[in-house]
Amino acid sequence: DAKTTQPTSMDCAEGRAANLPCNHSTISGNEYVYWYRQIHSQGPQYIIHGLKNNETNEMASLIITEDRKSSTLILPHATLRDTAVYYCIVRPTGNQFYFGTGTSLTVIP
Amino acid sequence: EAGVTQSPTHLIKTRGQQATLRCSPISGHTSVYWYQQALGLGLQFLLWYDEGEERNRGNFPPRFSGRQFPNYSSELNVNALELEDSALYLCASSPAGTSGLITGELFFGEGSRLTVL
Repeated sequence: DAKTTQPTSMDCAEGRAANLPCNHSTISGNEYVYWYRQIHSQGPQYIIHGLKNNETNEMASLIITEDRKSSTLILPHATLRDTAVYYCIVRPTGNQFYFGTGTSLTVIP
Repeated sequence: EAGVTQSPTHLIKTRGQQATLRCSPISGHTSVYWYQQALGLGLQFLLWYDEGEERNRGNFPPRFSGRQFPNYSSELNVNALELEDSALYLCASSPAGTSGLITGELFFGEGSRLTVL
């Protein structure tokens, strides 16, 4: 399973964009990048995923570098409810998800 | 549509006892995954079931076992409980197994918190 590296923690001011980086330098060509978040003691929630192209949905945007060795999750206007642990996962098609320790994002009023 | 449901929400056991946790996937989902999350730590992959078969297991001792029933619900059994088994056990489901994956998105339940005294 490919490994990911994320900062342990980050802060973001409420209303500002939160940019969460993830390094996945050993990613293979058929491996997708997924992002999940976990609000304290709840089940993780799917945010977004992508293979090569940048992706956007109602929750966030995912920017994947051209060499696919890193990605950034962008929460465009962070709110207090976005305070959570964010997990970046690299997953080959058909295999299970391996979660790391994620980035603990704190949105500050 | 009902989400992934897990029971019990909380379970207290003593060392050496057995614990059984249950998971009902979203209707139509055939894959069920189990994860362990000890306090303050990330999710550790435990087991993956699809179409009634165990597809893979994480680095856990054999006293962690499970099964998937014909209706795709699943059960996780932990035998000979140890103090370090205290954790939140999360179940997730997805629409398909190794083939035919659409988005590959996992849908998680709210977990069962096991406390071993």
